[in-house]
Amino acid sequence: KQEVTQIPAALSVPEGENLVLNCSFTDSAIYNLQWFRQDPGKGLTSLLLIQSSQREQTSGRLNASLDKSSGRSTLYIAASQPGDSATYLCAVRSGTSGSRLTFGEGTQLTVNP
Amino acid sequence: DAGVIQSPRHEVTEMGQEVTLRCKPISGHNSLFWYRQTMMRGLELLIYFNNNVPIDDSGMPEDRFSAKMPNASFSTLKIQPSEPRDSAVYFCASSFRGWGREEPQHFGDGTRLSIL
Repeated sequence: KQEVTQIPAALSVPEGENLVLNCSFTDSAIYNLQWFRQDPGKGLTSLLLIQSSQREQTSGRLNASLDKSSGRSTLYIAASQPGDSATYLCAVRSGTSGSRLTFGEGTQLTVNP
Repeated sequence: DAGVIQSPRHEVTEMGQEVTLRCKPISGHNSLFWYRQTMMRGLELLIYFNNNVPIDDSGMPEDRFSAKMPNASFSTLKIQPSEPRDSAVYFCASSFRGWGREEPQHFGDGTRLSIL
């Protein structure tokens, strides 16, 4: 059974800092890994999707890396802004037909002005 | 582009009543997902449809829960009879998956369900 863990559970940083969010998974036989953002009272917004054959994806100030062999992914946020404050979730697609999507519990990020 | 549309946004009902949640996926998407989110258990995948066919329903908690997708533009999640422990936010998401690739999922704003 796939298990996904995110560390830290919460993070508070001053504006402008670069930061790293961590995600680890127990079964390395994955199809892809996604990073999502969730704002209070809202659904999830997909940030980056890394296919199993890729090692990283970049979008603006965000960079996500994937190391399948060690079961880890990191989300790097450069020059953080107060608008980045949200909960960030990591999700791993795995299973026989790639149908299982297992989420971590998320990292709650607060960027202080 | 309208995005994934869920209804109702909020539902409050008494235990024992039937609850029906609705979802309209993004046009052209062939995969649809129902999730449940609670403080205790986080975000859980309940069921996943591909081309209107249920592929994996192992996340459905018990027989009181059922989901249907009669066509590519509509899905329902039904709880009968409802219990207080079913109180949660239920999300629907859709995506396109095919030809060896998968595109990111788009989520609706969710239905906040309270069972009294």
